[in-house]
Amino acid sequence: TQLLEQSPQFLSIQEGENLTVYCNSSSVFSSLQWYRQEPGEGPVLLVTVVTGGEVKKLKRLTFQFGDARKDSSLHITAAQPGDTGLYLCAGAVGDTGTASKLTFGTGTRLQVTL
Amino acid sequence: EAQVTQNPRYLITVTGKKLTVTCSQNMNHEYMSWYRQDPGLGLRQIYYSMNVEVTDKGDVPEGYKVSRKEKRNFPLILESPSPNQTSLYFCASSWGLDNSPLHFGNGTRLTVT
Repeated sequence: TQLLEQSPQFLSIQEGENLTVYCNSSSVFSSLQWYRQEPGEGPVLLVTVVTGGEVKKLKRLTFQFGDARKDSSLHITAAQPGDTGLYLCAGAVGDTGTASKLTFGTGTRLQVTL
Repeated sequence: EAQVTQNPRYLITVTGKKLTVTCSQNMNHEYMSWYRQDPGLGLRQIYYSMNVEVTDKGDVPEGYKVSRKEKRNFPLILESPSPNQTSLYFCASSWGLDNSPLHFGNGTRLTVT
C-alpha cells in the first residue's frame, strides 16, 4: 500500500492569513486529486493534477504537483471561515489514474476563525 | 440531483450482530467503492467494484463483504461486527475512467459495542 503523508495534521489560523498544506510520498503517482470534506459530509473533489510541475488555481486556492510527481501542495491565500474543513490528497498509481488505484492521504484539518 | 445515498447515517450495534449498510447512486456510474475513515489514518479502501458482479478487495477487506447485483447499488455487509470496525464509512462512485472524480455519500457512523 502506498503511503501519502500530509502536513500539517491540524492548522488553526485567522481569517486573512495564508497557508500551505503538503502531501508527500515516496511513490510516483500518475495523477493526484485534492478533496475537501466538511463535517457530516463526504469529501468533494477540488482539483486533479496530472502533469509533473503542473499548477492549477481555483479562486484563492493554488494546487501544485511536484516535478517528480511524488508530492503536491495546496496554498490558500487570504483564508476565509468557509475554507474550514478537512483537506485530503489522493494519489493514483499505475499507467492511468483509475479510481480503483487511489490512495488517500492522512488529511489536514483546517480551522479558520474570524 | 446526482447523488450517492447511504443508509443509515448512524448505527449502534453489538458485537456479532450482522448488519448491512446500503449505498445507491443515480449517476449510472460503473465504479463503486467503500472506504472507512479513522482519525489519523485518512480514508482506507475496503472493497470496490468495477461493474455489476465484479468486486475486488481494497486495502482493509477483512471482516467485510460486498455485492454488486445491480449497477446502482453496492451494499456493505458486516457478518459479525467487532469493536475494531467502529468507524465512519463512506460509499463512493465514479465513471472509473482516467482521473474520474469520486462522488461520495454523506457517511455512516457505525459504533460496535
